[in-house]
Amino acid sequence: GDSVTQMEGPVTLSEEACLTINCTYTATGYPSLFWYVQYPGEGLQLLLKATKADDKGSNKGFEATYRKETTSFHLEKGSVQVSDSAVYFCALRNVFGKGTKLTVNP
Amino acid sequence: SQTIHQWPATLVQPVGSPLSLECTVEGTSNPNLYWYRQAAGRGLQLLFYSVGIGQISSEVPQNLSASRPQDRQFILSSKKLLLSDSGFYLCAWSVRSRGVEAFFGQGTRLTVV
Repeated sequence: GDSVTQMEGPVTLSEEACLTINCTYTATGYPSLFWYVQYPGEGLQLLLKATKADDKGSNKGFEATYRKETTSFHLEKGSVQVSDSAVYFCALRNVFGKGTKLTVNP
Repeated sequence: SQTIHQWPATLVQPVGSPLSLECTVEGTSNPNLYWYRQAAGRGLQLLFYSVGIGQISSEVPQNLSASRPQDRQFILSSKKLLLSDSGFYLCAWSVRSRGVEAFFGQGTRLTVV
């Protein structure tokens, strides 16, 4: 069956640091892949997605590339901000990773 | 535009009491609907999903049930709550197509005491 494994946090960074949150998956077929973000006390919001191999999803300075050969969809940002503090979930179909809590300090 | 409403936002219930959480979607027709539970350290667990009125699929055996009495209404229920039912419950919808993103409600924080 489908599964998603993402890097467990928490992750604490200083403002303007680089971020990478690893995500790998197993799936039947070639599903779309997603990153969602959850701010404190709220539901999840779609951050970015990629629908096929080698696609790069991007939004708000975040990027992730759909790598079929390594079954990965790592989330990256070159310079994080305090406002990026949240929990990030990797997902495919109805399956979500456990979430990675990111805290960015000024 | 489409919106999803989920209520209440917070709920404190005694063990053994019933539960009813409601979720409604506006601005779309024939959505897929989902109930998830988020427990600390365990990520997001799919509890139920529905592809149409009266059609409910359960992902895990548990003390909860779901119903879809109308196209855009999804209800999560329990006859008798357990302490282990505490958590953050999220309703979501997606268009009826594979491989598309889900849109989430604001969630309900349920504490069973």
